[in-house]
Formats: sequence, structure tokens, C-alpha cells
Amino acid sequence: GQNIDQPTEMTATEGAIVQINCTYQTSGFNGLFWYQQHAGEAPTFLSYNVLDGLEEKGRFSSFLSRSKGYSYLLLKELQMKDSASYLCAVRFNTDKLIFGTGTRLQVFP
Amino acid sequence: EPEVTQTPSHQVTQMGQEVILRCVPISNHLYFYWYRQILGQKVEFLVSFYNNEISEKSEIFDDQFSVERPDGSNFTLKIRSTKLEDSAMYFCASDLFRDRNQPQHFGDGTRLSIL
Repeated sequence: GQNIDQPTEMTATEGAIVQINCTYQTSGFNGLFWYQQHAGEAPTFLSYNVLDGLEEKGRFSSFLSRSKGYSYLLLKELQMKDSASYLCAVRFNTDKLIFGTGTRLQVFP
Repeated sequence: EPEVTQTPSHQVTQMGQEVILRCVPISNHLYFYWYRQILGQKVEFLVSFYNNEISEKSEIFDDQFSVERPDGSNFTLKIRSTKLEDSAMYFCASDLFRDRNQPQHFGDGTRLSIL
């Protein structure tokens, strides 16, 4: 199957840096997305990786290693509003997205 | 910024009844999707739609489900005879197929509650 694995929960302190990992099966890989989802709301797009390396967008960065089937989302200068679920989603061959279970991040003061 | 819009935001329906969820994708997008998310679980793909036909569907998308693009703007998901297990958040998404660097944009969702 096309399993996407990410940790279920993480906690961090305001102002800190947190890294959320995601692993996936490499066969048929055609792009990886990170979405943020607050409780009861829709996923909102954060970043996209299809080539190896780091993509930076303000406080958020995402890294991809295609050979290892591995990505991470890096959140810097954490704020209370960053408390949310972070969804790793992979596109395999076709256009649909396969989502991981999401990582629930709690930021404490 | 253009948005995907969904109506209604919350739908409560008796088991066995038909329900239609409505979506207006972003106007220049070509690919349309329905996903669902059961409370506390992951987002799951249901169906993708391109050029007025289904391009892919998941095992969840059985004969009780159908999609339609009745006019140039709306994209609907119909569940013919709802079951308790259909209770979930249903998200519509769209993207600009030819530009794969663009993400799928999600609507705010319809919360479907089957009684």
C-alpha cells in the first residue's frame, strides 16, 4: 500500500523550533505536500516538494529526500497559533493525494 | 485570493435519505476532488473528476456515491442512501492540473451528520 507515516503528537514551547517527520513508500512518488489543519477546519497549504532539498517559506521550511522516502516540516519561532495538526500528503502517479494521519502539534507558552 | 466554496457548512440527515453536497471550485481550475475525514481520522480520497468525467475513485466511492458538474461552476457529490458511517467532514478540492507545482486548494468542508 501507499502508507504515509508521521508522528501522532508533538509538543513544543513558544519561540522554539520543531521538526515534523514524514516517511512514505518511494514507488510512484510524484510530489509531497504539507498542509496545516486547525480543529474543525479545512487543510490549508503550507509547502510543496518534488525535488530533493529544502524549500523555505518564512518561518516554515520543508525538506525532501526522494531516495529515502523522507520529508520533514520545520517550524521556527513557534507561536501559539501554530498549534494545529500538520498533514503530510503524497501524490503517487495519479493526481489524488494520499494523506498521513497528521501530527498534532501543541505549542505551550 | 480565489477560494473553493462549499455549501452547506453542516448537513443533518436521517439514515437512508439522499444528500447532495455542493462545491464551487476555483474558476480556472481543471481538476476537482472530493475527500472525506471521519472525526479523529485522516483525510481520505473519494474521487477525482476531469473533463466532465470521473478520472479515479477509491474503494469508498461505491454505487451509493455519484458526482456531477451540472453547469460551468458547480461540482456536486450525491450520496443516494446515507448510512451512519457516512458521517464525516467532506472536503471539495481543486487544482490547476497542468501546473503540478500548485497545490490542491480545499474548501471549508461540509460536516455531514447522519442520524
